[in-house]
Amino acid sequence: KNEVEQSPQNLTAQEGEFITINCSYSVGISALHWLQQHPGGGIVSLFMLSSGKKKHGRLIATINIQEKHSSLHITASHPRDSAVYICAVTNTGNQFYFGTGTSLTVIP
Amino acid sequence: KAGVTQTPRYLIKTRGQQVTLSCSPISGHRSVSWYQQTPGQGLQFLFEYFSETQRNKGNFPGRFSGRQFSNSRSEMNVSTLELGDSALYLCASSLVGRGRDEQYFGPGTRLTVT
Repeated sequence: KNEVEQSPQNLTAQEGEFITINCSYSVGISALHWLQQHPGGGIVSLFMLSSGKKKHGRLIATINIQEKHSSLHITASHPRDSAVYICAVTNTGNQFYFGTGTSLTVIP
Repeated sequence: KAGVTQTPRYLIKTRGQQVTLSCSPISGHRSVSWYQQTPGQGLQFLFEYFSETQRNKGNFPGRFSGRQFSNSRSEMNVSTLELGDSALYLCASSLVGRGRDEQYFGPGTRLTVT
């Protein structure tokens, strides 16, 4: 059983579409992270959340602690958003757990 | 500020050998974490070092070890390499660690074991 589940696994969108990636977790957490990984391997941290909502440009991340669920939204998607998006949590014992990632392709 | 650097970027080793990977964190960051990424298992947490002490460890065999120096640079060592150790090894640095602040990832070292 995975402590972190992401959906969908793969997502193809047309440029300009609104995109949602979901993350559910089964452990008590101290923080949740959204990461972006481009082809070639480089990982960038997009958000760290412990409650509520955060926004950076076209990206919005929300978390519902009671429901153990987080969403990453991309507004006005662009081909440069094509990447793998990974949800990760730190549990209360300071262990990291990662989702398997959502591979996003945005078509011009 | 310079980003997180990892050396070497690519490495090919033979089963049974050992390997040492290096990670230089962002200046001022005291926490360095190591991760393994494989197509089958995805990203997995190896361990975290803070101020030269291992503060947290994932579920990996004792063949995987690490250390951190007084300048916060970190090394990880894998002894008696197995084919399954072929992976992308990533390190990340942060100010306080334990996943409670933003992590900055290095480009990774791609290890191939033949």
